[in-house]
Amino acid sequence: DTAVSQTPKYLVTQMGNDKSIKCEQNLGHDTMYWYKQDSKKFLKIMFSYNNKELIINETVPNRFSPKSPDKAHLNLHINSLELGDSAVYFCASSTGGVASEHSYNEQFFGPGTRLTVL
Amino acid sequence: LAKTTQPISMDSYEGQEVNITCSHNNIATNDYITWYQQFPSQGPRFIIQGYKTKVTNEVASLFIPADRKSSTLSLPRVSLSDTAVYYCLVGPGRGGATNKLIFGTGTLLAVQP
Repeated sequence: DTAVSQTPKYLVTQMGNDKSIKCEQNLGHDTMYWYKQDSKKFLKIMFSYNNKELIINETVPNRFSPKSPDKAHLNLHINSLELGDSAVYFCASSTGGVASEHSYNEQFFGPGTRLTVL
Repeated sequence: LAKTTQPISMDSYEGQEVNITCSHNNIATNDYITWYQQFPSQGPRFIIQGYKTKVTNEVASLFIPADRKSSTLSLPRVSLSDTAVYYCLVGPGRGGATNKLIFGTGTLLAVQP
């Protein structure tokens, strides 16, 4: 069974549209994340979220918003898509915002969603 | 948060030992050093983490000098399947806040036959 899954794997859309990417984890983790990886392979965190705290990278436009219906899901909504939003988006999860002494604070990543804005 | 610097790319041949060095001059007392591996078209995955001296697991070894301002990931006898991007991260380790980890640009390791 896939630990962290994302849908869709590929998303092609027009500028100005609104789209969502879904993420689910079956690891029982408390914290989930969204990352953006651009064409130069630089991996930038966008959000980290648990039931107590949403941390937003200040460079992320407010067109992007995470929505969590429950602890196992963190979906990414993007409004008014722009050309520069084209990238691979990764969802990840971990044991929590503060890990136990026995945890490596390891993040488990999904397979990614390649978004192309035309 | 400590910034890391690592080579953009490295080349190697099958069967060789590969050492990737990461500089983190501003590492804090409570920071750990963590390495992730990313294969093409996949998300990154955890390889190894350490605080000081040497750590070894079934995949790699991590060498950290006493001043902790750098670290070296060592991959023994690489194969073609080790071709990937390797990220060095510095931040909270055991007992710390996972959401404070920052990925850098990574090192693209290309293994040739």
